[in-house]
Amino acid sequence: NAGVMQNPRHLVRRRGQEARLRCSPMKGHSHVYWYRQLPEEGLKFMVYLQKENIIDESGMPKERFSAEFPKEGPSILRIQQVVRGDSAAYFCASSPLRASYNSPLHFGNGTRLTVT
Amino acid sequence: TQLLEQSPQFLSIQEGENLTVYCNSSSVFSSLQWYRQEPGEGPVLLVTVVTGGEVKKLKRLTFQFGDARKDSSLHITAAQPGDTGLYLCAGLQGAQKLVFGQGTRLTINP
Repeated sequence: NAGVMQNPRHLVRRRGQEARLRCSPMKGHSHVYWYRQLPEEGLKFMVYLQKENIIDESGMPKERFSAEFPKEGPSILRIQQVVRGDSAAYFCASSPLRASYNSPLHFGNGTRLTVT
Repeated sequence: TQLLEQSPQFLSIQEGENLTVYCNSSSVFSSLQWYRQEPGEGPVLLVTVVTGGEVKKLKRLTFQFGDARKDSSLHITAAQPGDTGLYLCAGLQGAQKLVFGQGTRLTINP
């Protein structure tokens, strides 16, 4: 039973390019969460999606960032025109139900984005 | 916004010692979770505490939820090098998103 799969594990982009981060949730999980982590810091919530719907994007920057979770295929976090400040580890988590004490999140191993 | 403050941010101790790390908030949480994260990996859930005053044990790790459900602690007895990692507390904000503290980076020296 595969866990949450994220790819690529490492991504290097030049300023101004686009970054696409992919997340395949665990089998049977229809709820996906994206978090960003800067070095030596905790995880900052970005967006919560359920199949084909964005439920909560309150942590997502208003510009350049977008997320989707289509009916078929992985969830995608897209960052357009990347800047150096976007360099971070981006983690995806999934759960079978909306996050709660009895529906914990399962995290992938992250994508480390470096903007040069 | 409900904030979680963890202390200390960094802790380095010798193998065999005991330690306690804290997770505090001014807000009430319906539940709190503790995760451990190792370099290059995602956080892994250790425990969820739900009831005020609840104590849960996981081998040498003891987790406590404050009576008022605003704070939690993690106590490790006889720490081992394998306990080294980033310990994160997290609580549900609103009905649907998990918010994290900034973490305690623990180093156990042999």
